[in-house]
Amino acid sequence: DVKVTQSSRYLVKRTGEKVFLECVQDMDHENMFWYRQDPGLGLRLIYFSYDVKMKEKGDIPEGYSVSREKKERFSLILESASTNQTSMYLCASSLGGFRQPQHFGDGTRLSIL
Amino acid sequence: QKEVEQDPGPLSVPEGAIVSLNCTYSNSAFQYFMWYRQYSRKGPELLMYTYSSGNKEDGRFTAQVDKSSKYISLFIRDSQPSDSATYLCAIGGANSKLTFGKGITLSVRP
Repeated sequence: DVKVTQSSRYLVKRTGEKVFLECVQDMDHENMFWYRQDPGLGLRLIYFSYDVKMKEKGDIPEGYSVSREKKERFSLILESASTNQTSMYLCASSLGGFRQPQHFGDGTRLSIL
Repeated sequence: QKEVEQDPGPLSVPEGAIVSLNCTYSNSAFQYFMWYRQYSRKGPELLMYTYSSGNKEDGRFTAQVDKSSKYISLFIRDSQPSDSATYLCAIGGANSKLTFGKGITLSVRP
């Protein structure tokens, strides 16, 4: 089974802090994704990566950056956390190409105070 | 028109009922259709994946795709309390990322 592991289930940070969310997958997948999930808004894509050191903006990249130094690891960075970034963050991975289903981690619930 | 629209719910049914969950989409280039199930405080898990019109069955679950109407459905037979979760449709094309519906929360009452 594919396993996508997110480093923290719950995280509380303060406004202005730099926040790192980590994600690791164990299936040698080419693609990795970061989403945020909010009530009434569904899943929204922040960034994705289709190869090491490659990244593409999703639908809501503002205020975020990403890093993919190794194939199995994809990090989401909140450069200067703000309260409107309080959300559930979900990481996913898939084999190459867009037709492949995505496999999700269990999410990090991030609160910015 | 939004690319993928899903009935907002919530939906509550008695145990044993047949459940029908639906999504519509606007882009005729979409080719891949998925249903995810998400339990509370967990990530979405893939339930069904299909790429053609017609029905695909897996146990109590049937995924139905009607490309001419741009309409997909997930049917759950003999629903159980353990089916209580949020269900998300996800639709994509060969050269486009997946687009998710907003999800519908299903509650199956014992």
